[in-house]
Amino acid sequence: QQPVQSPQAVILREGEDAVINCSSSKALYSVHWYRQKHGEAPVFLMILLKGGEQKGHEKISASFNEKKQQSSLYLTASQLSYSGTYFCGTDDHTGTASKLTFGTGTRLQVTL
Amino acid sequence: DTGVSQNPRHKITKRGQNVTFRCDPISEHNRLYWYRQTLGQGPEFLTYFQNEAQLEKSRLLSDRFSAERPKGSFSTLEIQRTEQGDSAMYLCASSLGLAGGSYNEQFFGPGTRLTVL
Repeated sequence: QQPVQSPQAVILREGEDAVINCSSSKALYSVHWYRQKHGEAPVFLMILLKGGEQKGHEKISASFNEKKQQSSLYLTASQLSYSGTYFCGTDDHTGTASKLTFGTGTRLQVTL
Repeated sequence: DTGVSQNPRHKITKRGQNVTFRCDPISEHNRLYWYRQTLGQGPEFLTYFQNEAQLEKSRLLSDRFSAERPKGSFSTLEIQRTEQGDSAMYLCASSLGLAGGSYNEQFFGPGTRLTVL
């Protein structure tokens, strides 16, 4: 089942902060975050693993609550380049490991 | 630095025709994935290879879809007897996978946009 993201869309002024949430109904092994600009491929931002390990972008932070099967992506001091659609991809370890189920997406627009 | 490449970037075909897409992953990556993305949605998993072995196929993948990864390098995705509902962006991703884990990021290619008339 597809993870649910919130909000669906957000508009920010440059320099403002935003939080994007991802919630799953299944127990998760890892959460992956991607940003996709219109007409382009998704670009990797962050992986959060069960147990607390993280790998990712220096200027972006995220959290992973394993008990609630939720993850949040924190964008601070937003820049125009942050605009795009953000997707979380979850791995619940059913079937073969590493298959990702992507969320519904959050459209972020940063304005001057 | 050569990333994941896909060809063609765009394909327009008539209903009922067969199409084939190619994906060249990052050279040292042993895992390769195919996803499909429609407008306004996140990518949907189609199938996954570890080296040359196809380890999982989505139930979304009908018998008209077949994928191969001979020699564990590039991969092809073929759609036979295309339907209008097949119109979508077909994305390929690769990763350096460790046994049993999803520790490593998947790098996506630019995609092939398929339009079925």
